[in-house]
Amino acid sequence: ETGVTQSPTHLIKTRGQQVTLRCSSQSGHNTVSWYQQALGQGPQFIFQYYREEENGRGNFPPRFSGLQFPNYSSELNVNALELDDSALYLCASSLAGWGPREQFFGPGTRLTVL
Amino acid sequence: SQQGEEDPQALSIQEGENATMNCSYKTSINNLQWYRQNSGRGLVHLILIRSNEREKHSGRLRVTLDTSKKSSSLLITASRAADTASYFCATAHGETSGSRLTFGEGTQLTVNP
Repeated sequence: ETGVTQSPTHLIKTRGQQVTLRCSSQSGHNTVSWYQQALGQGPQFIFQYYREEENGRGNFPPRFSGLQFPNYSSELNVNALELDDSALYLCASSLAGWGPREQFFGPGTRLTVL
Repeated sequence: SQQGEEDPQALSIQEGENATMNCSYKTSINNLQWYRQNSGRGLVHLILIRSNEREKHSGRLRVTLDTSKKSSSLLITASRAADTASYFCATAHGETSGSRLTFGEGTQLTVNP
């Protein structure tokens, strides 16, 4: 257990709908990153939030957006869902600072788009 | 796009044997990390090796890094059935800990009892 929690565990939506996924970071961590993992592939970086501001973004369209709250928890919002958005969505928290450190991953939210 | 490629894609061994997984990447890195994932759930950090390190050990894990070849390997010694999982290498390019991770495609390891 890493102390990072995500909700919901599973979610089924239809094309065109909107979805919000939630992540609570590990205590004391001020950085949250979101990743998308399609079946059989490695996770792909969506974006990262540090002190409530977006701090880096991967190759994802603007319909993927996020928020970070003062308590460092975070949301991932996806608008106009497409079938290809079906994936495991992972959030990871870390403590920003100089020097390499591991990221702590939550258990993920499995999103199915029909 | 994925930064790294992992080899092999799948590996099946018997308990007690050693398992070696390889990872190659394309651009210069600050550090390389290995993660484990059970049954499509969250990733668990195994080990981190910095770009100026060549080898690192943690329990039954041994990681090597060759920056001239842009490659890394993960060795699991005396494997157990509980080691069955997917293993991913991930590269980080920034100096700060919050830098994004770029993952490879992963190796599915099956350890047969």
